[in-house]
Amino acid sequence: GAGVSQSPRYKVAKRGQDVALRCDPISGHVSLFWYQQALGQGPEFLTYFQNEAQLDKSGLPSDRFFAERPEGSVSTLKIQRTQQEDSAVYLCASSLAASGPQHFGDGTRLSIL
Amino acid sequence: RKEVEQDPGPFNVPEGATVAFNCTYSNSASQSFFWYRQDCRKEPKLLMSVYSSGNEDGRFTAQLNRASQYISLLIRDSKLSDSATYLCVANRGGGYNKLIFGAGTRLAVHP
Repeated sequence: GAGVSQSPRYKVAKRGQDVALRCDPISGHVSLFWYQQALGQGPEFLTYFQNEAQLDKSGLPSDRFFAERPEGSVSTLKIQRTQQEDSAVYLCASSLAASGPQHFGDGTRLSIL
Repeated sequence: RKEVEQDPGPFNVPEGATVAFNCTYSNSASQSFFWYRQDCRKEPKLLMSVYSSGNEDGRFTAQLNRASQYISLLIRDSKLSDSATYLCVANRGGGYNKLIFGAGTRLAVHP
């Protein structure tokens, strides 16, 4: 389809494992955002890319969280040494321009056991 | 205190009812505002932008009061399909749309 695609849809990991979550934005979209949505809460901003440049990572909860977008298209959010509090839905959004409307993917539901 | 606050609900209303949601924001530097809709286990989708002059889209009316830092959404003639969580969103801006979401208000419309 033409929307934002995220994979995997579901991920279960044991505490302490590393995980990698992938986001394929809409083709041509310059801006890419990652959000974390805990159960019963709204999405919380994690980080923002403009092309390959990570311009804002102020929302990343700790240095265990790392995001990259090396070629300005696909992005990966990596979480090292996962903790139970990392269990959440991770949403990716992209927009054509920095101030344009954001289109969200379905999210990756991460469960840490 | 969260930057964007909403009544979590749930609001349980019959079909055809009018329902109003309120939201307050604390960052006076927020530049623009939106209402998003999120169905269970789905991604948030933009419902409408919110302007000081008020704006209407069919059965939906949104209003912004910058002086009170207050945002509202009115839904008239509720439909079963309106059942969802409604997220109030402030754009903190700064060169890009840094969206700050409220926790959402749940609406359940019953026959």
